[in-house]
Amino acid sequence: AQSVTQLDSHVSVSEGTPVLLRCNYSSSYSPSLFWYVQHPNKGLQLLLKYTSAATLVKGINGFEAEFKKSETSFHLTKPSAHMSDAAEYFCVVSGPRGAQKLVFGQGTRLTINP
Amino acid sequence: KAGVTQTPRYLIKTRGQQVTLSCSPISGHRSVSWYQQTPGQGLQFLFEYFSETQRNKGNFPGRFSGRQFSNSRSEMNVSTLELGDSALYLCASSPGLTTSSYEQYFGPGTRLTVT
Repeated sequence: AQSVTQLDSHVSVSEGTPVLLRCNYSSSYSPSLFWYVQHPNKGLQLLLKYTSAATLVKGINGFEAEFKKSETSFHLTKPSAHMSDAAEYFCVVSGPRGAQKLVFGQGTRLTINP
Repeated sequence: KAGVTQTPRYLIKTRGQQVTLSCSPISGHRSVSWYQQTPGQGLQFLFEYFSETQRNKGNFPGRFSGRQFSNSRSEMNVSTLELGDSALYLCASSPGLTTSSYEQYFGPGTRLTVT
């Protein structure tokens, strides 16, 4: 079975400073991992994905994440926060290849202070 | 390509009624998954349909059901509505092939309120 733990329910940073959203996962298989973002009253948008290729994954809007198997982590980072980054972020693990069931973390709400 | 569309966007129902939600996937995608999002439970997987067959199922009661049509459009039905069914219901589509693990593309959701 798979599970995801997002270590912070809320992160607050100042505009222009780095962002770090932490995620640990548990999986019986070689996992596929994703980060999704949800802006208020909107659906989920894929930021980036890891599917056993390069361990450092680059996504949209300057975000990137590093897969660390030894630490079972998949933390999301961005060098410089923008006001538009304020949203809810979800770390997600999927099942074995072909299984379309996604397991979501509880989410991290990112607040950007001017 | 057009994205995933869901109708209606907002719905208000009374306890005991039933409701049907609709989802049209991205053109060419054959897999449609449904998720329930609530403040207390977060995002939970309901079920997935591929080529008109339910392929995966989450841990929800039988009041929650779905189906998929030959054009890959999907509907989700909830019977005998309870207050706890108030949630944002999200639909996601993907190519659905078993040879690799594809990301899913989400629609804007249907906000269901049960009174």
